[in-house]
Amino acid sequence: EVQLVQSGAEVKKPGQSLKISCKGSGYSFTNYWIGWVRQMPGKGLEWMGIIYPGDSDTRYSPSFQGQVTISADKSISTAYLQWSSLKASDTAMYYCVRPSSSWFYFDYWGQGTLVTVSS
Amino acid sequence: EIVMTQSPATLSVSPGERATLSCRASQSVSSNLAWYHQKPGQAPRLLIYGASTRATGVPARFSGSGSGTEFTLTISSLQSEDFAVYYCQHYTNWPPLTFGGGTKVEIK
Repeated sequence: EVQLVQSGAEVKKPGQSLKISCKGSGYSFTNYWIGWVRQMPGKGLEWMGIIYPGDSDTRYSPSFQGQVTISADKSISTAYLQWSSLKASDTAMYYCVRPSSSWFYFDYWGQGTLVTVSS
Repeated sequence: EIVMTQSPATLSVSPGERATLSCRASQSVSSNLAWYHQKPGQAPRLLIYGASTRATGVPARFSGSGSGTEFTLTISSLQSEDFAVYYCQHYTNWPPLTFGGGTKVEIK
């Protein structure tokens, strides 16, 4: 059974750094892209970016390029989303997502990680 | 960037009735269109991909149609568990992949 299990909720202050994780299991982690989707409170879904763990090829939405870093450690089947300096506007639920093998619709979703940034 | 526009923003429907949701792309996405629904407090779930193919385990009351720039998701007879927010997403000519703004299906 394919599973994406994300790290727990975080409460941070503006300016702090953060790295959240998503561990994939039940499939060959290196052979599928894995990405991140943001959902701000009461709002819709925004695709942030995606990485291919096999060769670390990473693509970002222009809206998030330079704002976050996506990485993966294939030795432990885990993808990461990282901020170097959080802002209050980063407060949101973040989902990791796995597309199908051939097309970039998302058939598997993590449970979500709630990030709250507040002074 | 391909912009996805969903309408209406809110749809009020009685249980057992038919619901029709629309999604429009700012340029052709061929049939590279997926639909998801999201219930409160849950992650989204894939319903339809390829504009019209139901994902594994999705009931037959959900159907998708369209190609190019105009797409429709139809729920033939709404059940209580179908009241949720529905999103479309294209997956052609990316990055970026983009979602529509969502349609909330609420109980009338």
